[in-house]
Amino acid sequence: AQSVAQPEDQVNVAEGNPLTVKCTYSVSGNPYLFWYVQYPNRGLQFLLKYITGDNLVKGSYGFEAEFNKSQTSFHLKKPSALVSDSALYFCAVRDMNFNKFYFGSGTKLNVKP
Amino acid sequence: EAQVTQNPRYLITVTGKKLTVTCSQNMNHEYMSWYRQDPGLGLRQIYYSMNVEVTDKGDVPEGYKVSRKEKRNFPLILESPSPNQTSLYFCASSLRGYGEQYFGPGTRLTVT
Repeated sequence: AQSVAQPEDQVNVAEGNPLTVKCTYSVSGNPYLFWYVQYPNRGLQFLLKYITGDNLVKGSYGFEAEFNKSQTSFHLKKPSALVSDSALYFCAVRDMNFNKFYFGSGTKLNVKP
Repeated sequence: EAQVTQNPRYLITVTGKKLTVTCSQNMNHEYMSWYRQDPGLGLRQIYYSMNVEVTDKGDVPEGYKVSRKEKRNFPLILESPSPNQTSLYFCASSLRGYGEQYFGPGTRLTVT
């Protein structure tokens, strides 16, 4: 069965420190992987995607993610966190066989000044 | 402005009273989808549409209906809402079925 796991409900990091939000997936075939961010009382906003090519993907607001096929992971990273990065982050995978999307349960990122 | 709009944004209703949540996009996207967001469960796909007159079930379709008569509109219909359908609902669209999705602002539904 297709699925996405975000093992951490919450990640706390100090401003200026690097951050990592973890995501692992299970999908048949080659995965299309996405990260989205949700600010309070807002819809989700696209951050970045991996479809093919370079395993390191760069996205909006200085975020990047590394696709690791052997570990079936797609962790979101940023070298230097900002307080304004505090939000809810979702990892998603597309099931190529059925045109469906599966989302993780979300990780709340808290960046403290 | 390119956007996905949903109406209403907030809705409180009673069990069994039919309701429709509208969704419209102005980006000429082919793919549209409905999700529900529940705490601890993330987003779960209800229905999706690859194009006009083509719809298919997502992971949690029970109790919902959709239609795609026009490319820009994708309404979500709850024919007989129940309390377990209390949730935050999002409509989304993408140019094709494999790219990034653009999300609407959400509809918070409460069924008593």
